[in-house]
Amino acid sequence: ETGVTQSPTHLIKTRGQQVTLRCSSQSGHNTVSWYQQALGQGPQFIFQYYREEENGRGNFPPRFSGLQFPNYSSELNVNALELDDSALYLCASSLAQGEPGANVLTFGAGSRLTVL
Amino acid sequence: KQEVTQIPAALSVPEGENLVLNCSFTDSAIYNLQWFRQDPGKGLTSLLLIQSSQREQTSGRLNASLDKSSGRSTLYIAASQPGDSATYLCAVSDAGDFNKFYFGSGTKLNVKP
Repeated sequence: ETGVTQSPTHLIKTRGQQVTLRCSSQSGHNTVSWYQQALGQGPQFIFQYYREEENGRGNFPPRFSGLQFPNYSSELNVNALELDDSALYLCASSLAQGEPGANVLTFGAGSRLTVL
Repeated sequence: KQEVTQIPAALSVPEGENLVLNCSFTDSAIYNLQWFRQDPGKGLTSLLLIQSSQREQTSGRLNASLDKSSGRSTLYIAASQPGDSATYLCAVSDAGDFNKFYFGSGTKLNVKP
C-alpha cells in the first residue's frame, strides 16, 4: 500500500509568479484535500476534490485552484503569488463520506513553498 | 466558525513521565475529532480518531478522550519516551461540513532522555 506522495518537496518563487503542486493519493483513496500550514500554525483547509470536482472550499481566494484526475491524483495551482503564500502545502487523501474508514486522512510530507 | 485551541503550546518533560495535552473547540456540533503527530518538516500522522458518539479511543500508550458538550478533548501519553518528541495537533470536522477539518496550532512536546 503506497502512501501519499507530493512534489516538489521544496520550491522558491517570486511575487506574481504561478505555482503548481502535485499529489498522488494513497492507493484505494478517492478523495483529496489540500491544506496550507504557515510556520508555527495548524493546517488550514483550502479545498477538497472528489470525482474530479471541488467538494468543499475554505476561506481562500479564487487564485487558489485545483484539479483532480481520473486516477485520483490532484494538483494545486496558485496564481499571482504573494509573500503570505509562503507555507507548507499538505495534501491528504481519504475515502469518500459514507464509505467505511472515511474521514481518516492520510497526509503527504508536503511541499514547502517560499515566495520572495 | 469553529476555532480550535491547544494548551500548552510547548511542553518539556523527562522520559517516563505521563502527560496530558489539551484541545478545546468552540462549536460542539462536530462530526469527529482526530489527533495527529507532526515531526519537524514532515507531514501529519493520524494517531487517534474519535467519532462524535464516542467518549474515548486508545492505541498503545495513547488515550484520547472527548467531551463534546464542553468542547474539550485530551490526549494522554503514558510513560513518555524521547521518540514521542514531536508536535501534536488536534483537528475537528463539523457535523454540517465534515469534509473540512479545523486544526489547532499544536503542542510541541520534548521528552528529555
